[in-house]
Amino acid sequence: DTGVSQNPRHKITKRGQNVTFRCDPISEHNRLYWYRQTLGQGPEFLTYFQNEAQLEKSRLLSDRFSAERPKGSFSTLEIQRTEQGDSAMYLCASSPRVTGDSYFGPGTRLTVL
Amino acid sequence: EDQVTQSPEALRLQEGESSSLNCSYTVSGLRGLFWYRQDPGKGPEFLFTLYSAGEEKEKERLKATLTKKESFLHITAPKPEDSATYLCAVQARDSSYKLIFGSGTRLLVRP
Repeated sequence: DTGVSQNPRHKITKRGQNVTFRCDPISEHNRLYWYRQTLGQGPEFLTYFQNEAQLEKSRLLSDRFSAERPKGSFSTLEIQRTEQGDSAMYLCASSPRVTGDSYFGPGTRLTVL
Repeated sequence: EDQVTQSPEALRLQEGESSSLNCSYTVSGLRGLFWYRQDPGKGPEFLFTLYSAGEEKEKERLKATLTKKESFLHITAPKPEDSATYLCAVQARDSSYKLIFGSGTRLLVRP
């Protein structure tokens, strides 16, 4: 069990650029989640996949955000036309079929200049 | 609306000084209540899941308890390495297994 991995760990970009993050969940986990966390706050839910199907998206997820999970394995989160308000830690988590216990990756810290 | 409130926001303890962290919640049917530990710059680390009122779980110096309205994380004789932010989250029965988090309690244990 290698845990949830995320790449890159850090991303600095200029306002208006597009960025893409990758998450590799624990191999036997069929559920995958994206969260966003700003300083001093708990993680906020963004979106949820069960296998390859995206089953829920938060109202926080504007049209500039898109997520995919092709073949129910890894997932990508893309942010188009980044804004300074997008600066945050983006966390990926996965959970197994049997329980709701979510295991988090190390996160990708995004800084938009 | 499902909501989680944690108190205090920050807590300073001397090594060996036991204390408790509080997590109050409102949820439309609780599937589970979760405790995580988060170190600066890292992702949350899973600690416990509690499913029903009266349930208790322990891990080393940590003990989590659950009532119908709140959960407590008791820290017995803490050590400096217990310093971290402790996050509480709930999962509603009719949800997509997503977690609703509180803002956390920042714990500092001084030697």
